[in-house]
Amino acid sequence: DIQMTQSPSSLSASVGDRVTITCRASQSISSYLNWYQQKPGKAPKLLIYAAFSLQSGVPSRFSGSGSGTDFTLTISSLQPEDFATYYCQQSYSTPRTFGQGTKLEIK
Amino acid sequence: QVQLQESGPGLVKPSGTLSLTCAVSGGSFSSTNWWSWIRQPPGKGLEWIGEIYHSGSTNYNPSLKSRVTISVDKSKNQFSLKLISVTAADTAVYYCARTGYSHSFDIWGQGTMVTVSS
Repeated sequence: DIQMTQSPSSLSASVGDRVTITCRASQSISSYLNWYQQKPGKAPKLLIYAAFSLQSGVPSRFSGSGSGTDFTLTISSLQPEDFATYYCQQSYSTPRTFGQGTKLEIK
Repeated sequence: QVQLQESGPGLVKPSGTLSLTCAVSGGSFSSTNWWSWIRQPPGKGLEWIGEIYHSGSTNYNPSLKSRVTISVDKSKNQFSLKLISVTAADTAVYYCARTGYSHSFDIWGQGTMVTVSS
């Protein structure tokens, strides 16, 4: 199985801040990396697919980059509704695997 | 727009069988998509259980493969999950999801909580 490791596990930030979350794969996954946002009691929501493609309807303040083993999710200017948990997921091979999550909290 | 809705018992006894159904509405089930089951234990991360294509082809997580069956009923626009010999470790919110571009999960059901307890 491909292991996905996110850092940090938690992060405190303020509205307006620029935030970056990192995801590392245990082997190369090309650009088969997706990012999700999950709020308490809700299903995850797809933000970014194929490392940098913005899902329809997702604000442009979200962006993704990377390839191979190292990837980042950047939120350019945090909004109140962005405080949530973020997961990366590899879709290079089965079993599909997720990172452990990064909880983004209000400072 | 495609919507997914999970249904099934919220309580299953240890050593019993967990059975859930995902109803697909608002779109064609027989498309080029795969359809997945994903679970999330309380307070923990996400675990992919497996996926099915409309033809019936499946892929399973090796960690669960010996206990899992995913099936499809195209006439009812739904697919199902069966997990046998459950234990408390199988207590989780179970989600069904559609696989979209680049094998991402682009549409999710709301999730259903299943508790394994006597």
